[in-house]
Amino acid sequence: AQSVTQLGSHVSVSEGALVLLRCNYSSSVPPYLFWYVQYPNQGLQLLLKYTSAATLVKGINGFEAEFKKSETSFHLTKPSAHMSDAAEYFCAVTVNTGNQFYFGTGTSLTVIP
Amino acid sequence: DTGVSQNPRHKITKRGQNVTFRCDPISEHNRLYWYRQTLGQGPEFLTYFQNEAQLEKSRLLSDRFSAERPKGSFSTLEIQRTEQGDSAMYLCAGETSGSYEQYFGPGTRLTVT
Repeated sequence: AQSVTQLGSHVSVSEGALVLLRCNYSSSVPPYLFWYVQYPNQGLQLLLKYTSAATLVKGINGFEAEFKKSETSFHLTKPSAHMSDAAEYFCAVTVNTGNQFYFGTGTSLTVIP
Repeated sequence: DTGVSQNPRHKITKRGQNVTFRCDPISEHNRLYWYRQTLGQGPEFLTYFQNEAQLEKSRLLSDRFSAERPKGSFSTLEIQRTEQGDSAMYLCAGETSGSYEQYFGPGTRLTVT
C-alpha cells in the first residue's frame, strides 16, 4: 500500500517569500505523485503530477515540485508567494497498476501581506 | 470549472434516513471515483468505476453504502440508515484512463442530525 505524510498542517509565509510545503511518501513500487489545491468552498484542483518522467515537475500558478527518490519526498515550492495562493494543499500518491489514490491530511497555507 | 457537477451541494438528514447523491462527470471521464472528506483530513477513497463497472471498493465502505454508474456516465452514491458518523463532504472525481488527472466536483456536504 502507499501513503503520504504532509509535514506541517499550517504554514504561514509573507507575500513575496518562498513557499515550501513538504510531502513524504511511502510506496513499495515506483509511485506517481500529485499536488492538489483546494480553495475555500471549491473542489480540489490538480496543481501538478509526477508520473516517472522528469523529476522536476512544473505546475500551474508558478508551483513546482521535485521527486527525490533517495529522500522519498515530493515537496512543493513556489519562489514568491502571492495572496491568492492562500488555500489548502494536498499531496497524493498512486501507482501505475493501482486504482486508489491516497491523500495526505493537507497543509493550510496562509499568506501574510 | 472542472466540468464535474455534484448534486445536491448540501444535504441535511435525520439519523436513520437514506440519502442519495449524484455526480455528473464530463463524457471523456471513463473513470469515476468517490471520496469522503472530513474536517482536517484529506479525501478518503470510497470506490471507483471504469465505465459502468465498479472495480474497487474501500474496505472502510460499510454495507450501508452503495454506488452505481448505470450507463457509464453519471454516478449515484446511496447511504442507507445514515449515522452521525456519516457527516462529511462527499467528493466525486472524473478521470480519463491513463491521464492520472482527477477532476473533482465541488462536493456534497452531508449533515446527519
